[in-house]
Amino acid sequence: ELKVEQNPLFLSMQEGKNYTIYCNYSTTSDRLYWYRQDPGKSLESLFVLLSNGAVKQEGRLMASLDTKARLSTLHITAAVHDLSATYFCAPRPGGSEKLVFGKGTKLTVNP
Amino acid sequence: SQTIHQWPATLVQPVGSPLSLECTVEGTSNPNLYWYRQAAGRGLQLLFYSVGIGQISSEVPQNLSASRPQDRQFILSSKKLLLSDSGFYLCAWSPRTSGRPGEQFFGPGTRLTVL
Repeated sequence: ELKVEQNPLFLSMQEGKNYTIYCNYSTTSDRLYWYRQDPGKSLESLFVLLSNGAVKQEGRLMASLDTKARLSTLHITAAVHDLSATYFCAPRPGGSEKLVFGKGTKLTVNP
Repeated sequence: SQTIHQWPATLVQPVGSPLSLECTVEGTSNPNLYWYRQAAGRGLQLLFYSVGIGQISSEVPQNLSASRPQDRQFILSSKKLLLSDSGFYLCAWSPRTSGRPGEQFFGPGTRLTVL
């Protein structure tokens, strides 16, 4: 059974700073997704990572995938308040129709 | 384009009452459908998923059930609600084949409070 560990679970950072969220998973996965959730809202898809070494960037967020290390990272560059949200990673076990979600990282960006 | 609807948006129910939450998807056919629950401040728990009409897989044994009477309709039900059923219920769909297979798209959610 695939298990997912995200860290940190809570992250408070100042505007303009950089930081990385880590997503480790326990068994083989053929793809990995990152989602964002604003307070009281649903989940919004951010990135789809389909292969080893995949890197996707949008704005101040960049996601990468290392399937050999079973690790994905979400890097935040020069954080702004609008990035405050909870971020979930979700690897898909190979051949499965399901995703396994991490517990989420609650990011707070302070002015 | 595809859209996913959930209703109601908010629901307050007494303990022991029945429950029916509905999810419909437009603009696609033969999607995979999912029900998740998110307790306050917690992660997502997969409750049920379906790969076709009448095909339901249960992930967590509990007093909830799911049905898929039509291709793009997914219903979550309970005969008697418990306090622990309170939470944010999210429906999601994923395409079988597309440029981003396996990616799940979430509905707006139903916030259920059981008193």
